[in-house]
Amino acid sequence: AQTVTQSQPEMSVQEAETVTLSCTYDTSESDYYLFWYKQPPSRQMILVIRQEAYKQQNATENRFSVNFQKAAKSFSLKISDSQLGDAAMYFCAYRSAYNTDKLIFGTGTRLQVFP
Amino acid sequence: DTGVSQDPRHKITKRGQNVTFRCDPISEHNRLYWYRQTLGQGPEFLTYFQNEAQLEKSRLLSDRFSAERPKGSFSTLEIQRTEQGDSAMYLCASSFIFGTGDSPLHFGNGTRLTVT
Repeated sequence: AQTVTQSQPEMSVQEAETVTLSCTYDTSESDYYLFWYKQPPSRQMILVIRQEAYKQQNATENRFSVNFQKAAKSFSLKISDSQLGDAAMYFCAYRSAYNTDKLIFGTGTRLQVFP
Repeated sequence: DTGVSQDPRHKITKRGQNVTFRCDPISEHNRLYWYRQTLGQGPEFLTYFQNEAQLEKSRLLSDRFSAERPKGSFSTLEIQRTEQGDSAMYLCASSFIFGTGDSPLHFGNGTRLTVT
């Protein structure tokens, strides 16, 4: 079975600085998708960024980028120029490319942003 | 696109009572998912529908839980004889599956259940 591990329960960053959230996963599959979701205090989960395992290029969405290391099964999220609105729980998630039925989530990292 | 809507936002019930939650997905989405999230944990998959067909149920979904999606539109999740361990946030999400592709998962705000 696939598992997702987020080893940082909490992280903090100064506004305008850069922070990296870690995620590792375990799978025997060769094709899959990886995601970072943000869950602000209002609770609605929002997709931040998505990476297809077959793509070598790291995904980027504005201030958010990932460092995808397939051999190491590592998928970290870098937030550049952090803003107060980035404060939230961040969840790393895995989905098999062979069945699209469910996401497997990590336990999350709470990000605090200080002015 | 009005987003995924869940009702109620909060539910407090006494142990042993039955509760029902509703989820209205984005209208053109053919897949609907239920997840459960407890404090300090990530969401855990419970079940999902494609149109009106329930295609998979997690082992977390005991026989006290039942989900339906009549006519492939809104979905309900019922918990019978609630237990304190059922206290959690219940999240609904929807997406559109087409051929070999799919849209991102859109989540609702969740229903927070407290069993006293």
